[in-house]
Amino acid sequence: DGGITQSPKYLFRKEGQNVTLSCEQNLNHDAMYWYRQDPGQGLRLIYYSQIVNDFQKGDIAEGYSVSREKKESFPLTVTSAQKNPTAFYLCASSIAWDLGNQPQHFGDGTRLSIL
Amino acid sequence: GESVGLHLPTLSVQEGDNSIINCAYSNSASDYFIWYKQESGKGPQFIIDIRSNMDKRQGQRVTVLLNKTVKHLSLQIAATQPGDSAVYFCAESLNEKLTFGTGTRLTIIP
Repeated sequence: DGGITQSPKYLFRKEGQNVTLSCEQNLNHDAMYWYRQDPGQGLRLIYYSQIVNDFQKGDIAEGYSVSREKKESFPLTVTSAQKNPTAFYLCASSIAWDLGNQPQHFGDGTRLSIL
Repeated sequence: GESVGLHLPTLSVQEGDNSIINCAYSNSASDYFIWYKQESGKGPQFIIDIRSNMDKRQGQRVTVLLNKTVKHLSLQIAATQPGDSAVYFCAESLNEKLTFGTGTRLTIIP
């Protein structure tokens, strides 16, 4: 089945540690996105990538980093500089950035907590 | 599962009745709108979308209405079923970037 796979489902971070969240899609989508979801708030955009080897900061990029070396993969690293990393992280993809508005399709998220 | 929103507006509907979920969007220039359904512990699931040149679009058991005059979007679910219990939120798009609402929790009364 085509879809977006996020792993792990739960992740724990120690103080001063960097952790990487995985996102893989087999939908052949060009564009990929990372969002953060906190209770009572709408999804907030961390980073997005329109195409392989390109990515842009979203609204809350500080303390995060990404790479897009392959079309199907868009990993997110939560660095020690992110002082409030506890949240539900969602990865999404859409067909192409320049085709006009298209829906984004989401994975099932990774819940990150601090030890 | 875990809650994705602790203080969301809640709508309780009797099983079999129709549900109407409302959303006020913020930018009059937004040109594309999406409704998502999110079950506990899962990612948002696409339900239906509508472009700003339309005021109504129907899917299977769902209808989206767009009123650009008052910047209002609604999702109607016909014959609500227990499996419809979830958080529903709208998203508006401007320049291919989505802005998401906080959502409404729909609870089905048996």
